[in-house]
Amino acid sequence: GAVVSQHPSRVICKSGTSVKIECRSLDFQATTMFWYRQFPKQSLMLMATSNEGSKATYEQGVEKDKFLINHASLTLSTLTVTSAHPEDSSFYICSALAVAGELFFGEGSRLTVL
Amino acid sequence: DAKTTQPPSMDCAEGRAANLPCNHSTISGNEYVYWYRQIHSQGPQYIIHGLKNNETNEMASLIITEDRKSSTLILPHATLRDTAVYYCIVHRGNKLVFGAGTILRVKS
Repeated sequence: GAVVSQHPSRVICKSGTSVKIECRSLDFQATTMFWYRQFPKQSLMLMATSNEGSKATYEQGVEKDKFLINHASLTLSTLTVTSAHPEDSSFYICSALAVAGELFFGEGSRLTVL
Repeated sequence: DAKTTQPPSMDCAEGRAANLPCNHSTISGNEYVYWYRQIHSQGPQYIIHGLKNNETNEMASLIITEDRKSSTLILPHATLRDTAVYYCIVHRGNKLVFGAGTILRVKS
């Protein structure tokens, strides 16, 4: 099946620094990608919709200046957590929409902010 | 998107069929039913989806009632590796909004 890859899978950073997470669709083009975050023992929460060549659409309550999303090509979307704080520690997951309408998810990226 | 209701947890014996129910009584005519599962600390894995007809693939079967207000995901021969959180999602368009899901525990 289609593959979506996220990098890095784990990252630890100091409070106040910025962290970039990449999401790549390896064998298909995706005009639309989605970013989710997941806290322990909770479900996935949709953060934003990333559209190739245009601005991302953020869900209510998600700070767009805090979570910068760039979708510069049909196979790559990036999420940058700016000025990270410990409360930003979470599991971040991306998904990519294939032409047939299926959504494929990446393996997730675990962010720990010290 | 229509809301879904799933039991919080279920147990299943290894080798037996696992039947996971989902209620989506407010589903509208052009909304699909999707099933994903998530094994601990991994991204969700697509299982199956359907609109009106029952569907089957190599992983599972999806049974949708005639009025489309509920559905059942069937894993025909559950294994220990099927232990996961199973999400039933109803949507149209592109966005998938996840509910709490069902924790399925397959026991030997």
